[in-house]
Amino acid sequence: QKEVEQNSGPLSVPEGAIASLNCTYSDRVSQSFFWYRQYSGKSPELIMSIYSNGDKEDGRFTAQLNKASQYVSLLIRDSQPSDSATYLCAVHMDSNYQLIWGAGTKLIIKP
Amino acid sequence: ETGVTQTPRHLVMGMTNKKSLKCEQHLGHNAMYWYKQSAKKPLELMFVYNFKEQTENNSVPSRFSPECPNSSHLFLHLHTLQPEDSALYLCASSQEGTSGLEQYFGPGTRLTVT
Repeated sequence: QKEVEQNSGPLSVPEGAIASLNCTYSDRVSQSFFWYRQYSGKSPELIMSIYSNGDKEDGRFTAQLNKASQYVSLLIRDSQPSDSATYLCAVHMDSNYQLIWGAGTKLIIKP
Repeated sequence: ETGVTQTPRHLVMGMTNKKSLKCEQHLGHNAMYWYKQSAKKPLELMFVYNFKEQTENNSVPSRFSPECPNSSHLFLHLHTLQPEDSALYLCASSQEGTSGLEQYFGPGTRLTVT
């Protein structure tokens, strides 16, 4: 069964520190990987996409992909209280139109 | 309007009612999706339409009926729902191509079945 696993949290990080969110997936031939941020009562918002091994940086966000170990992570530098949200990992595992979703990690940034 | 819009934003309906959710995407995408999001559970894909053709139907009960009249509009028709169908219903769209399967979501409809 195709699965995406995330620690549900909550993950509590002091303001200004680095928040590290992790996601593992079951299918070795997965193609595309996405991080979404979801504030309470709101819909998911795409914040990062990554397609090849290594790091991808966008502002304070860095996505890291390791296909051999089947994990993808999201680092948030200089964490702000506004980063407090649930972060969803999604993986495109095969040729159809489905993303496989993790249940999300709740992140709390403490001032 | 920009992005993906959904109406209504909130809906309360009895188990014998019939209602419809509407989604419209202004991104020029060619695929649209309905998801159900319940508390503490991963997003559940319900239906996928690609170029107006339904390509996925993840064993959704027949009390949910999708309609996609064109590549910009998507409806979810609801009838004789159960209380366990109360959830956030999300519409999303994507464009097949080099962006992989980046999906963009509407604000959702919060459905309560009484």
